[in-house]
Amino acid sequence: SQQGEEDPQALSIQEGENATMNCSYKTSINNLQWYRQNSGRGLVHLILIRSNEREKHSGRLRVTLDTSKKSSSLLITASRAADTASYFCATPRGAGKSTFGDGTTLTVKP
Amino acid sequence: KAGVTQTPRYLIKTRGQQVTLSCSPISGHRSVSWYQQTPGQGLQFLFEYFSETQRNKGNFPGRFSGRQFSNSRSEMNVSTLELGDSALYLCASSLEGQEGEKLFFGSGTQLSVL
Repeated sequence: SQQGEEDPQALSIQEGENATMNCSYKTSINNLQWYRQNSGRGLVHLILIRSNEREKHSGRLRVTLDTSKKSSSLLITASRAADTASYFCATPRGAGKSTFGDGTTLTVKP
Repeated sequence: KAGVTQTPRYLIKTRGQQVTLSCSPISGHRSVSWYQQTPGQGLQFLFEYFSETQRNKGNFPGRFSGRQFSNSRSEMNVSTLELGDSALYLCASSLEGQEGEKLFFGSGTQLSVL
């Protein structure tokens, strides 16, 4: 099974609203990353948060990490139709290997 | 700088055939990883190559193999194709492949096995 599990599986919101998606993982990590995937395409790296960080911002993205609960959340503020995509959390597991969650499919309606 | 290039973009094969997929990493990147993505299993790690050596391997049968050339380009091969091998195969590159390093993905090869 996947190391990370995303919640919710699917999310549909209106343009301008905020979108929050959560990720849980099972074993200890040094860092956690979030990626975005547009339909049928490759993944694009969004942000990395280290285990000693609790919150990180990048543009309209805010990521939090709670290592005691083994969970992370990704908040996209003021969403746009172009944010429609699947979002995955990823935990590194050795050379060139990351374990990806099942993903949250976000639909932003114009 | 050009991104990660995967060829072909689409491929249709029949059961029992074999297939070779190609990946050209970002210039200067020496680590190449391969992932299989299916609706049922999600993203699963296949293997990782660095300086022509496989350093890491996922839980896939021996029908799945790969190699890396001296210019860091990589190929993966699937022999004796099964219907369940239908998937999007993604290649990712990074500078050194160190744990936690950002991965740069190609657009993938969509393989359909009939």
